[in-house]
Amino acid sequence: ETGVTQTPRHLVMGMTNKKSLKCEQHLGHNAMYWYKQSAKKPLELMFVYNFKEQTENNSVPSRFSPECPNSSHLFLHLHTLQPEDSALYLCASSQDPDRTYEQYFGPGTRLTVT
Amino acid sequence: AQSVAQPEDQVNVAEGNPLTVKCTYSVSGNPYLFWYVQYPNRGLQFLLKYITGDNLVKGSYGFEAEFNKSQTSFHLKKPSALVSDSALYFCAVRDGYGNNRLAFGKGNQVVVIP
Repeated sequence: ETGVTQTPRHLVMGMTNKKSLKCEQHLGHNAMYWYKQSAKKPLELMFVYNFKEQTENNSVPSRFSPECPNSSHLFLHLHTLQPEDSALYLCASSQDPDRTYEQYFGPGTRLTVT
Repeated sequence: AQSVAQPEDQVNVAEGNPLTVKCTYSVSGNPYLFWYVQYPNRGLQFLLKYITGDNLVKGSYGFEAEFNKSQTSFHLKKPSALVSDSALYFCAVRDGYGNNRLAFGKGNQVVVIP
């Protein structure tokens, strides 16, 4: 295990639902990330947090809303999603966002939007 | 912006034979290079990284990678492949100058044949 946990592991939701994804890291890291992984495509960075402050939003639609209450927890709030949002959502953490540090990933949440 | 190319969709290799997964990159400054592996229904696991120093980098599970600046490559290698090495492998790069984003390749599926 990498020290990064994600819940739920699988989620099916309708386009009018509101749900949240949760990520927790037990590594004492200061930076946390959300990625979207779709089949046959490179990982897409969505958000970056450093010391609880959002430092990057990679032009993500407002139907995705991140929250980082502390350095160990990261949430992704979902509402009025589209079928094309179905993907594997990965959370990651690193010691800090400095470019020399590797990232540690959780197992992901497999999201299906119906 | 930084980018990574992993030219092959799938790499097939017989168990016990050498394994090579190719990666080329493009950055403005000095590259910081990473390899990750993803097993089914799991998140990405860090294998190794090149930041500076010796061009040959050794990592987890017997993997190594060679940084070649003139060819802008960072190929992943293992002298003797195991069936358990069958997985999806991702190369990633960060630019040492400017944008701090970690750019991933689309991944290579490695199949080790018993």
